[in-house]
Formats: sequence, structure tokens, C-alpha cells
Amino acid sequence: ETGVTQSPTHLIKTRGQQVTLRCSSQSGHNTVSWYQQALGQGPQFIFQYYREEENGRGNFPPRFSGLQFPNYSSELNVNALELDDSALYLCASSSKTGVTEAFFGQGTRLTVV
Amino acid sequence: RKEVEQDPGPFNVPEGATVAFNCTYSNSASQSFFWYRQDCRKEPKLLMSVYSSGNEDGRFTAQLNRASQYISLLIRDSKLSDSATYLCVVNKGGTSYGKLTFGQGTILTVHP
Repeated sequence: ETGVTQSPTHLIKTRGQQVTLRCSSQSGHNTVSWYQQALGQGPQFIFQYYREEENGRGNFPPRFSGLQFPNYSSELNVNALELDDSALYLCASSSKTGVTEAFFGQGTRLTVV
Repeated sequence: RKEVEQDPGPFNVPEGATVAFNCTYSNSASQSFFWYRQDCRKEPKLLMSVYSSGNEDGRFTAQLNRASQYISLLIRDSKLSDSATYLCVVNKGGTSYGKLTFGQGTILTVHP
């Protein structure tokens, strides 16, 4: 087990709705990155949070937003859901001090209907 | 052109076979390189980091050629349990640390 937990594990939403996904990082890790993985594709970087600040963003529209809390847990919010947002959403925690691997949570599978 | 490109396969090999995966990356500023393994409907897990000098972990050997911007993974004596998707991953490093760029993955199926 990586110590990175995500909730919920599965979610079904209707187009146009909003969704919040949650991630608890591994103990000692202050950086959380979010990825979207569509079926048959590799994960794509959405954004990263370091010490409660956004620290870089991939090619995703502003309706994808996030937060990081003082305990380094994080949320991913998606507004105005589209059918193409259906994917596995992964969070990864890592430490900025030294070169360490990124540990992934089990993911949240979002289906937009 | 994608930043990280892999042959998606699928690769179908018998137990005991040797199989090689290749990957190319486009950003010469990339500093860290990895192979991740992803089982069906699970999260990616680090298989091994890749170094310029090449590195080996049991049946797995990874190589990096910075001049050609090419990464490889060799699996010897394949086991049924090696069946998975193998993801080539690149990190630009510096302030980009932790922002991983993934290839689309290569599917491997090892059969009896």
C-alpha cells in the first residue's frame, strides 16, 4: 500500500454537474499532483499543489480547479462536467526534498452520463 | 508530436520469452526517467528508475540514451504475472519535479 488514499472510488455524474474528488497524501509528503487517465491512454498531468499553492498546470481548462489543505490533503473540483471528462482520476503524492518517486492512489473512476 | 511516445502493442509472448519495449521523448530538458507498471483498473506503480549508465533489477533491465532521447525496458524470462501495461514516464525536473509526462503505455500479455 502506498499510503495515498482517494475517495470516492467510483462516481457517476450527469453532464453539467459539478464533482469534488479527494486525496490524502502519504505521510511526510507535501506535494500532490492530479492526473486524468482516459481509457487506453497514459495519465495526463492536470495540476500540482505544493504547500497549499498551485505549482504548475497541464493543458486543462479552468473548470478543473483544486485545493490543498494544511495537512497536505487535496481536492480536485470539476465544474460543468462533459462526457469526455469520464476517466480515472489519479492523485500522486511526492516530496520536493530530494529525488523520490511519486506514489499514486488507487484512483477515482468518474463516469459522466 | 507527443512528448513521450511508446509502441502501444499489444505484445503477446509465451512464458520464458524476452521482450523489449521502446520509448522516445521529445523534451531534451527532461531529467528523470522511469518505467511504471499498471495492472488492469489499478493505479500505476513504479517499476524502476532509468539511469544513463543502465540499470538492472532482477529480470528487468532499463537503458537510457540521452543523445537519442530514447528509453528502453527489457524483460527476460517473462512470467504470467508480468502481464500488465508498461508506462514510460519522463520528468523535466527542477521546478517541474513531480509533474510526470506519461507515454500511452504498452500492453504486455504473457501466456502459458
